[in-house]
Amino acid sequence: AQTVTQSQPEMSVQEAETVTLSCTYDTSENNYYLFWYKQPPSRQMILVIRQEAYKQQNATENRFSVNFQKAAKSFSLKISDSQLGDTAMYFCAFMKHGTNAGKSTFGDGTTLTVKP
Amino acid sequence: EAGVTQSPTHLIKTRGQQATLRCSPISGHTSVYWYQQALGLGLQFLLWYDEGEERNRGNFPPRFSGRQFPNYSSELNVNALELEDSALYLCASSLYPRTGGYTQYFGPGTRLTVL
Repeated sequence: AQTVTQSQPEMSVQEAETVTLSCTYDTSENNYYLFWYKQPPSRQMILVIRQEAYKQQNATENRFSVNFQKAAKSFSLKISDSQLGDTAMYFCAFMKHGTNAGKSTFGDGTTLTVKP
Repeated sequence: EAGVTQSPTHLIKTRGQQATLRCSPISGHTSVYWYQQALGLGLQFLLWYDEGEERNRGNFPPRFSGRQFPNYSSELNVNALELEDSALYLCASSLYPRTGGYTQYFGPGTRLTVL
């Protein structure tokens, strides 16, 4: 069974600064996907960024980037130039590739507050 | 393009009753997933349906069940409601994972309150 751990229940950052959210996972699988999802207060969960385990290059999406360390089973999210709209709960998630894909495992989330 | 929709937005039931939650996936998506999110906590995987069949199930009792219809919409049924079933129930959809549909798109959720 897979586990996903987000060790920072809450974090805060000043507007325009950079913040990094941590995520570690445990799996015996070699092929899998990792995701960061964002859930703003009282709003819909949306995908922030996705990483395929077979790709060595770290994924980036505008101000969002990941540091994927497969051997260490670490998948951190870096948010650059933080904006007030980044205030949300962030979830790290794992999904196997292939058979039994579809069953995602989520971490408990990190609540990020961006301060003006 | 319309996103994932869920109904109702809020549902209030009493202990022992049954609740039915509905989800319509994004057009073209064949997989539907159900998650339970207790207040302030992470998501717990409930069920995964694709092409009308249950593909996987999380660690929930049998009173949590569902189905997927030919148009790929889905229902989640919770029988014999208990107080601890109070939570936000999220539905997500995707293309079939094994053919590349690994990204899940979430609906706004149904807030179930059991009194």
